[in-house]
Amino acid sequence: AQSVTQLDSQVPVFEEAPVELRCNYSSSVSVYLFWYVQYPNQGLQLLLKYLSGSTLVESINGFEAEFNKSQTSFHLRKPSVHISDTAEYFCAVSLKGAQKLVFGQGTRLTINP
Amino acid sequence: GAGVSQTPSNKVTEKGKYVELRCDPISGHTALYWYRQSLGQGPEFLIYFQGTGAADDSGLPNDRFFAVRPEGSVSTLKIQRTERGDSAVYLCASSLEGTSGSYEQYFGPGTRLTVT
Repeated sequence: AQSVTQLDSQVPVFEEAPVELRCNYSSSVSVYLFWYVQYPNQGLQLLLKYLSGSTLVESINGFEAEFNKSQTSFHLRKPSVHISDTAEYFCAVSLKGAQKLVFGQGTRLTINP
Repeated sequence: GAGVSQTPSNKVTEKGKYVELRCDPISGHTALYWYRQSLGQGPEFLIYFQGTGAADDSGLPNDRFFAVRPEGSVSTLKIQRTERGDSAVYLCASSLEGTSGSYEQYFGPGTRLTVT
């Protein structure tokens, strides 16, 4: 069975600083990879996903994640964060041809002015 | 268009009671999912419907939990003889289809269940 580990439960950073949220997964077969974001008092929203092709994927609000098969990682990065990025971020995987998402425990990103 | 809606938003019940949680998916979405999120954890898969049938119920924790989707749209998650450990946020999601795993799942706001 596949599993997802988010190594940091909380990440505090200053505004305009870079940030990396780490995600590692384990699976014996090919997977799809996702990052979901949950802003305060809102539901989960898809931030970005890797299905195939280029290993670097980007979101519309400046986040990017890179699929690294050899390290079984899908870390999320942003070069300069804003207060509005304060949220909880969840990494998730699904097996190709399957349906359910397996989520990590989440990383709470806090932006300090 | 309207997103996934869930009712009620909050439910407080006594231990041993029966509860029903409702999910209205996005119109046209054939796949529907239920997840459970306990405090400080990521969502945990419960069950997945493709149309009217439960295609994967491997995440249901025990036989007190049951879900239906009789007309392929609205779904109800039913919990019998509730226990305090059932307290969590129950999330519903829908997608255009589910067989490939590649379609985005759209999540509802959740129902917060508290068992006292």
